[in-house]
Amino acid sequence: EVQLVESGGGLVQPGGSLRLSCAASGFTFSSYVMTWVRQAPGKGLEWVSAISSSGGSTYYADSVKGRFTISRDNSKNTLYLQMNSLRVEDTAVYYCAIKGRIGVAGTNGFDYWGQGTLVIVSS
Amino acid sequence: DILMTQTPLSSPVTLGQPASISCRSSHSLVHSDGNTYLSWLQQRPGQPPRLLLYKISNRFSGVPDRFSGSGAGTDFTLKISRVEAEDVGVYYCMQATQFPLTFGGGTKVEIK
Repeated sequence: EVQLVESGGGLVQPGGSLRLSCAASGFTFSSYVMTWVRQAPGKGLEWVSAISSSGGSTYYADSVKGRFTISRDNSKNTLYLQMNSLRVEDTAVYYCAIKGRIGVAGTNGFDYWGQGTLVIVSS
Repeated sequence: DILMTQTPLSSPVTLGQPASISCRSSHSLVHSDGNTYLSWLQQRPGQPPRLLLYKISNRFSGVPDRFSGSGAGTDFTLKISRVEAEDVGVYYCMQATQFPLTFGGGTKVEIK
């Protein structure tokens, strides 16, 4: 069974930092692109960042570029999101999700999601 | 960036009746590999989203066949043939043809 468990959320002041983690199990973690998606309270979904299976390529939404860093440790089956210079508008539930493979046999969708971790940026 | 626009914002439906949601993209979603990476996701109240359909019309594992997708290029539709109580929630379209990945604003399906 695929499992994604996020952790690391909490209350932080504007300008502060947090590091989110996503522990993965039930699939070959090192074979998949992984992503972070967030959802502000009562709002829709916003893609945040993605990282290739090897970790060699990373992608960011403009809203977080230069402030957030995505990384992964394939030996620990864990995905990370380092969030610096946090703003009030970063307040959201942060989900990690598996991005399906591209191509004929893949979905290239967000195949599985974790339950999310809540980040609140407030003074 | 590719803008995804969903209509309607809200869809009140009677149990057992059909529902339809439209999604339009600002640019063609046909990838250079020939596939169209348009997905539909469902988010039930208090739950994380889950993948329903991928590449326009392919149902993901475990998705009931009352869900279907159609469309091409920039116009896409999700249909629920007979709405059940468990279908209540918000539905999102999403494109993964190019970065940044983008979502539609969501359509809330509720029971009349």
